[in-house]
Amino acid sequence: EAGVTQFPSHSVIEKGQTVTLRCDPISGHDNLYWYRRVMGKEIKFLLHFVKESKQDESGMPNNRFLAERTGGTYSTLKVQPAELEDSGVYFCASSHGLAGGSYEQYFGPGTRLTVT
Amino acid sequence: RKEVEQDPGPFNVPEGATVAFNCTYSNSASQSFFWYRQDCRKEPKLLMSVYSSGNEDGRFTAQLNRASQYISLLIRDSKLSDSATYLCVVNVSPGNQGGKLIFGQGTELSVKP
Repeated sequence: EAGVTQFPSHSVIEKGQTVTLRCDPISGHDNLYWYRRVMGKEIKFLLHFVKESKQDESGMPNNRFLAERTGGTYSTLKVQPAELEDSGVYFCASSHGLAGGSYEQYFGPGTRLTVT
Repeated sequence: RKEVEQDPGPFNVPEGATVAFNCTYSNSASQSFFWYRQDCRKEPKLLMSVYSSGNEDGRFTAQLNRASQYISLLIRDSKLSDSATYLCVVNVSPGNQGGKLIFGQGTELSVKP
């Protein structure tokens, strides 16, 4: 079974530019999550999709961040315009819905974003 | 105060040693608990879920004390391959909906020959 995949693995952009990160969850997982780790800090929750709906977006830092999950499959996270403090590693994770039993979250390899 | 606090580490131990990691959490309504391991510049990988009755998986034993809001992980007979950062993780979403995970800052373990 393929794991969670993320694209790109690395992205270097200038302040003010736009970047879009993509996440493909494990097939059949209804739940998709975005997390972020900035340097020197712990991993922090950004938001949670159940299928195509946002279940919890309490961790989104501000309105420069837009997450979508059209059709309930893959998700994108757009940062526009990027600021220096957005640099970090963005992880995506997925888990089964309750009907599937397990709520354990499995993480993708992350996208390392550097804003210069 | 951080929502999930761990020993700062690093822990440097010889092969074969037993090592224990401790973790406390502040949200008494937390629903589920996990230990993840993270290798350098990699994603967190689920090591084990932690249950109230305690659970064991080979050389790894996890314990949960809800009254004290305390979680532990014990590694016996440590191997070189156990070297990693160990993350204590708590799910604070209500109703077991598998949502928001809160991560500790991690404890680095280095197992030496």
